[in-house]
Amino acid sequence: EAGVAQSPRYKIIEKRQSVAFWCNPISGHATLYWYQQILGQGPKLLIQFQNNGVVDDSQLPKDRFSAERLKGVDSTLKIQPAKLEDSAVYLCASSLFHDTQETQYFGPGTRLLVL
Amino acid sequence: AQSVSQHNHHVILSEAASLELGCNYSYGGTVNLFWYVQYPGQHLQLLLKYFSGDPLVKGIKGFEAEFIKSKFSFNLRKPSVQWSDTAEYFCAVNARHYGGSQGNLIFGKGTKLSVKP
Repeated sequence: EAGVAQSPRYKIIEKRQSVAFWCNPISGHATLYWYQQILGQGPKLLIQFQNNGVVDDSQLPKDRFSAERLKGVDSTLKIQPAKLEDSAVYLCASSLFHDTQETQYFGPGTRLLVL
Repeated sequence: AQSVSQHNHHVILSEAASLELGCNYSYGGTVNLFWYVQYPGQHLQLLLKYFSGDPLVKGIKGFEAEFIKSKFSFNLRKPSVQWSDTAEYFCAVNARHYGGSQGNLIFGKGTKLSVKP
């Protein structure tokens, strides 16, 4: 079974530029998550989708971050404009069911460096 | 709000030594508990999980963890580590509510394990 796919794997941009990340979840997984992992910390949730609807975006900095999941499969996360503090690894995760025994599976992440 | 504490930032062991990594969480309700591992250059992988039942859970590669509800703890153990266990280990928790999980995994800051050959 193919895992969660993410691209690009690495991205270097200058502050105030925009950037987009792409995620393809495991086939059939209805729930998709974007996490931000800053160096030395554990991942922190940015946004959660159930199919193509947003379940939780309370921790997404909406003035600069946006995400969408068209057709309930692939998802993109965008940052515009980027700040230095956005340097982090952006992880995508997916799960089969949003139930009491949900297990999330993670992709390889996109490492972003903002100069 | 939920939080997860991993007390050890970096643990260094020799091969064949026993391992115990601490994890404590703060949440008064029912929780799902996870340990994820990230080997160098690889992505987060599920090591083991606890949903309910036997509080001693066994995972891959000889790892196990014990859920102690009274102590809000979910410590990871392995009787004899190998050099290949060198990795970063993350404890994570999500709250369970009637009808489903909260979904949002709360992670600890991680513990780096270095195993000397």
